[in-house]
Amino acid sequence: DILLTQSPAILSVSPGERVSFSCRASQSIGTSIHWYQQRTNGSPRLLIKYASESISGIPSRFSGSGSGTDFTLSINSVESEDIADYYCQQSNSWPTTFGAGTKLELK
Amino acid sequence: DVQLQESGPGLVKPSQSLSLTCTVTGYSITSDYAWNWIRQFPGNKLEWMGYISYSGSTSYNPSLKSRISITRDTSKNQFFLQLNSVTTEDTATYYCARYYGYPRGYFDYWGQGTTLTVSS
Repeated sequence: DILLTQSPAILSVSPGERVSFSCRASQSIGTSIHWYQQRTNGSPRLLIKYASESISGIPSRFSGSGSGTDFTLSINSVESEDIADYYCQQSNSWPTTFGAGTKLELK
Repeated sequence: DVQLQESGPGLVKPSQSLSLTCTVTGYSITSDYAWNWIRQFPGNKLEWMGYISYSGSTSYNPSLKSRISITRDTSKNQFFLQLNSVTTEDTATYYCARYYGYPRGYFDYWGQGTTLTVSS
């Protein structure tokens, strides 16, 4: 199975800051990586598909980049509603797998 | 709008079987896509369990292959998860989700999740 390593485990930010989340795959997966946001007591919500493609209804402050093994999700200017856990998912090969997540918290 | 809703017993005893239902509204599960079960363990690890496709074919995570079965009732637009011989390690929140863009797709719609505890 492809292992996805997310770092850091926890990110502390102030509102208005730019933040980046890292997801590293154990082998090359092209751009078959997708990002999800999960708020407390909520379900995962798709934020970015295929590494950098935007999703309808998701604020433009969310963006993604990367290919191969290294991927990044960025939030341009963090808002309080962005406090959540963030997960990456690979769909290059089955079984599809998820990273362990990064928790975004306020300083 | 597409909506998915899980339902289940909440509590199951070790060695028993668990059965969960996902009811889909706003889209027919026989039209397209793959319909999945995903679970999230305490501590938040996410694990894909398996799917049933719009045509009725199934695929399971090899880690569960001997214990899992996913079926459907097309007349009710529902699909089901059965997991046999459960242990306390199957305690988790169980989500159903739609997979868009097989084979290299993503989960675009999720249910709200149902919590399952395995305990005697």
